[in-house]
Amino acid sequence: DGGITQSPKYLFRKEGQNVTLSCEQNLNHDAMYWYRQDPGQGLRLIYYSQIVNDFQKGDIAEGYSVSREKKESFPLTVTSAQKNPTAFYLCASSTSSYNEQFFGPGTRLTVL
Amino acid sequence: QQQVKQSPQSLIVQKGGISIINCAYENTAFDYFPWYQQFPGKGPALLIAIRPDVSEKKEGRFTISFNKSAKQFSLHIMDSQPGDSATYFCAAQSPGSARQLTFGSGTQLTVLP
Repeated sequence: DGGITQSPKYLFRKEGQNVTLSCEQNLNHDAMYWYRQDPGQGLRLIYYSQIVNDFQKGDIAEGYSVSREKKESFPLTVTSAQKNPTAFYLCASSTSSYNEQFFGPGTRLTVL
Repeated sequence: QQQVKQSPQSLIVQKGGISIINCAYENTAFDYFPWYQQFPGKGPALLIAIRPDVSEKKEGRFTISFNKSAKQFSLHIMDSQPGDSATYFCAAQSPGSARQLTFGSGTQLTVLP
């Protein structure tokens, strides 16, 4: 999927636990994004990062945290503060030269 | 606040027919309008995109029509095939370095054989 890998593909979590979703890209893209997808609601932006060691909140950042210590990696932590974390999570990346965002294959998180 | 409205939510078309999906936006600052195709369990992939200075863009069987004054754009799939069955998302991109995408709610297209 365009040089972006996400792991795991499926993730199950108990209520009250934090979980971290992995996103790695080998496209040498500067910008990376995390989206949440729920049925019938399209994709909503959680966090994005334009450069290493810098990131900004998107539309639905509450209950999530990110880090960008390396250019190729942008992990997302779903904390216990996220009230409804069950969803499909998508990571994307892009360059400053192109408009297109390339998406990874996604991680489906289910809270038990 | 939903800034990109997409319709219909679902669409069923016979093989060989024309599929039409519509989107409307509010923010006139948007400067790039892509359409993404998503198959079940996969990430979205860019299908076709247009800038607001162009009224139409065609790539194979896929055409975007853009009406800047009405703040609307649409995707036309000609000669629809069963393999086109997927969920389609329109999006609008903000200018500036962040290049954030705002997505429509998606249209689930089913092409009957």
